[in-house]
Amino acid sequence: AQTVTQSQPEMSVQEAETVTLSCTYDTSESDYYLFWYKQPPSRQMILVIRQEAYKQQNATENRFSVNFQKAAKSFSLKISDSQLGDAAMYFCAYEGGATNKLIFGTGTLLAVQP
Amino acid sequence: DTAVSQTPKYLVTQMGNDKSIKCEQNLGHDTMYWYKQDSKKFLKIMFSYNNKELIINETVPNRFSPKSPDKAHLNLHINSLELGDSAVYFCASSLGRTGTYSYEQYFGPGTRLTVT
Repeated sequence: AQTVTQSQPEMSVQEAETVTLSCTYDTSESDYYLFWYKQPPSRQMILVIRQEAYKQQNATENRFSVNFQKAAKSFSLKISDSQLGDAAMYFCAYEGGATNKLIFGTGTLLAVQP
Repeated sequence: DTAVSQTPKYLVTQMGNDKSIKCEQNLGHDTMYWYKQDSKKFLKIMFSYNNKELIINETVPNRFSPKSPDKAHLNLHINSLELGDSAVYFCASSLGRTGTYSYEQYFGPGTRLTVT
């Protein structure tokens, strides 16, 4: 069975600094997708970034980028120039296999200090 | 121009009652999902429908019954509510899969269910 592990329950970063959130996963599939979702206090789930496993190039979206290491089954999220609005719970998620259900990690609560 | 909407946003009810949560999407998607987020913020898939057909049914008590009257709507009915059903329930939708390509899921605002 596929699993997603986020080993950092909480992280803190100073405004304008860079922070990296860790995620590892386990799967026997060769084709799959990985996602980072943000959940602010409003509880809305917002897609931050997505990575297709068949792509070697790491995905980037403005200040957000990933470090995808397929052999190591690692998928970390880097947030550059952190802003107060980045404070939220961040979930790593996996999708693969016969169905397109998302399997989530336990989340990392990110605090941004002014 | 709400993409995925849920009603109600908050629901407080007593044990033993029956309640429904409604979900509607105006994105033209044909796949819809229900996820449950427990008190520890853990998110887990419950059901998925594709064009009104049930395609994912995780280990969920029979008291939970999804219904999809058309591909834009997916409702969740819960019978005989229990304290442990208290959670946030998220509806999501996507274009599903085309061949091996999988489209991302868009989430509704969530429904916080409190059972007293």
